[in-house]
Amino acid sequence: DQQVKQNSPSLSVQEGRISILNCDYTNSMFDYFLWYKKYPAEGPTFLISISSIKDKNEDGRFTVFLNKSAKHLSLHIVPSQPGDSAVYFCAASGGYGGSQGNLIFGKGTKLSVKP
Amino acid sequence: SQTIHQWPATLVQPVGSPLSLECTVEGTSNPNLYWYRQAAGRGLQLLFYSVGIGQISSEVPQNLSASRPQDRQFILSSKKLLLSDSGFYLCAWSVYQGGISPLHFGNGTRLTVT
Repeated sequence: DQQVKQNSPSLSVQEGRISILNCDYTNSMFDYFLWYKKYPAEGPTFLISISSIKDKNEDGRFTVFLNKSAKHLSLHIVPSQPGDSAVYFCAASGGYGGSQGNLIFGKGTKLSVKP
Repeated sequence: SQTIHQWPATLVQPVGSPLSLECTVEGTSNPNLYWYRQAAGRGLQLLFYSVGIGQISSEVPQNLSASRPQDRQFILSSKKLLLSDSGFYLCAWSVYQGGISPLHFGNGTRLTVT
């Protein structure tokens, strides 16, 4: 049973517009949520994270929103750029110390930003 | 700055052959180290993690093993590969300092077992 779900396998957005990537989770014990970006033939790159005690975290063009009651988080990219085209993974963690790295990943959403 | 090296980038091995994938981290001391795998059509799955030399935690029972002979070296091994071992293997590191400690991934090894 998937604990972290990204229900949209792909998303296409026009350059300059907002990209919204969604993620749902089932385990209310998760403490942290992270977003990773992955280009082909490369490892995932950390983008942004949020603690379960917050509902928003912003870093430049990237903002993550967390709705704990709905067990839902989203990543907003504004404005979207062609270089943002990649696969985006949502991940969650409920551990501490070394076990914090036991991330539960979604299957990813492929974002295509068209010029 | 910290860097992580993982090799080889691609590997094709016959069923029943052994496997050794190596990962090294530079620029940090006593990192937590991780091996993840992404099978076709699936998300990333944690296989092993290590919080120190000789300390290995296995998350998924399988045909693979891991070792950490040095502080910044992490090795993934198998004595006899199965077809189901094919996938994209990623090594990662983190340093826990309280709060969120993101994982930093290497570029991965694409393993095809034939």
